[in-house]
Amino acid sequence: AQSVAQPEDQVNVAEGNPLTVKCTYSVSGNPYLFWYVQYPNRGLQFLLKYITGDNLVKGSYGFEAEFNKSQTSFHLKKPSALVSDSALYFCAVRGYTGTASKLTFGTGTRLQVTL
Amino acid sequence: NAGVMQNPRHLVRRRGQEARLRCSPMKGHSHVYWYRQLPEEGLKFMVYLQKENIIDESGMPKERFSAEFPKEGPSILRIQQVVRGDSAAYFCASSRTNEKLFFGSGTQLSVL
Repeated sequence: AQSVAQPEDQVNVAEGNPLTVKCTYSVSGNPYLFWYVQYPNRGLQFLLKYITGDNLVKGSYGFEAEFNKSQTSFHLKKPSALVSDSALYFCAVRGYTGTASKLTFGTGTRLQVTL
Repeated sequence: NAGVMQNPRHLVRRRGQEARLRCSPMKGHSHVYWYRQLPEEGLKFMVYLQKENIIDESGMPKERFSAEFPKEGPSILRIQQVVRGDSAAYFCASSRTNEKLFFGSGTQLSVL
């Protein structure tokens, strides 16, 4: 079974400071990893994904994530946070089995960026 | 290219009634997924469908819940004899290649 852990319910950061939202995963085989963001009363929006290749993946709105196979982690990062980044962030994983399979999400981390 | 369309946005039902949630995937997408979101619980997978086929329904409750994705028309998530515990936001997502998912804005189901 595949699973995702987001150990922090909420992350608070001041605008202009770097931010990190943590994610660890468990899956059989090579992972497909994703980050999504959810704004109030909206569906999830895709931020970035890791399939293969460089461990550092760059995505939308200046976000990036680093894949670490030995630590089974895929932490989301941004060098300089904005108040508008405040939202709910979800990490997700899917194992590549050669056939169709579902995406499993973590419980989400609420990012609060303050002035 | 319109995004994933879900309707209604809000649905109110009394206990024992049926709820029908609709999802029209993005054009060209043949993979549809349904997720349920409860406060403080994140997104829980319910079912994964391709046209006319259920691929994975491991997250669907054994009773009262069903889903379909017919050859023509939207995907339907049907909940019979709703109970208060069914109150949640239900999100549909679609994809072309089973990689990147595009989400709809969700249907908020409230059971009175």
